[in-house]
Amino acid sequence: GENVEQHPSTLSVQEGDSAVIKCTYSDSASNYFPWYKQELGKRPQLIIDIRSNVGEKKDQRIAVTLNKTAKHFSLHITETQPEDSAVYFCAALFHSASKIIFGSGTRLSIRP
Amino acid sequence: EAGVTQFPSHSVIEKGQTVTLRCDPISGHDNLYWYRRVMGKEIKFLLHFVKESKQDESGMPNNRFLAERTGGTYSTLKVQPAELEDSGVYFCASSQEGSYNSPLHFGNGTRLTVT
Repeated sequence: GENVEQHPSTLSVQEGDSAVIKCTYSDSASNYFPWYKQELGKRPQLIIDIRSNVGEKKDQRIAVTLNKTAKHFSLHITETQPEDSAVYFCAALFHSASKIIFGSGTRLSIRP
Repeated sequence: EAGVTQFPSHSVIEKGQTVTLRCDPISGHDNLYWYRRVMGKEIKFLLHFVKESKQDESGMPNNRFLAERTGGTYSTLKVQPAELEDSGVYFCASSQEGSYNSPLHFGNGTRLTVT
């Protein structure tokens, strides 16, 4: 079925350290993987995305890696800052149905 | 440009009552999606409109939920009669093209509480 698994559900890291969130997906035909950040009381917003023709993409302190063989992808945040505290959602485009399926979210807390 | 707007932001209703949620997508966005998040779980897909047509409604829980997008502009999602398990945050999102070619832009959501 259409499924995206996301781990961990909560993550607490010291300010300045790195945070990694991992996701797996079920549809081997998926070719687009966005990541959304939702701050408290606000709307989910796209922070980075990756398409299946590349294995890694970086944007300043945020990077995403994709392993199509293993059907998993990860979000890496380096040099974490207090404003990185939020819920992060991974997602995958299920090409057979052209819809975005989301993971269950990771609540990231940055300790000062 | 104005973002995706949703109304109301909060709604508290009793079991058995009816509620209608509204979403105004970004102007010019043909694709409109409804999602729901129950506390601590995933943002779950409900349905997808392309203009006024339902492209995919496979995520709609049951026939108590009715979504419309007459004229291909704003959309409404009606829950009738509401049950306790319908509580959650209902998000609307829009995109200019299909999901592969253009990102989803979300609204702030409607928090629905059924008591």
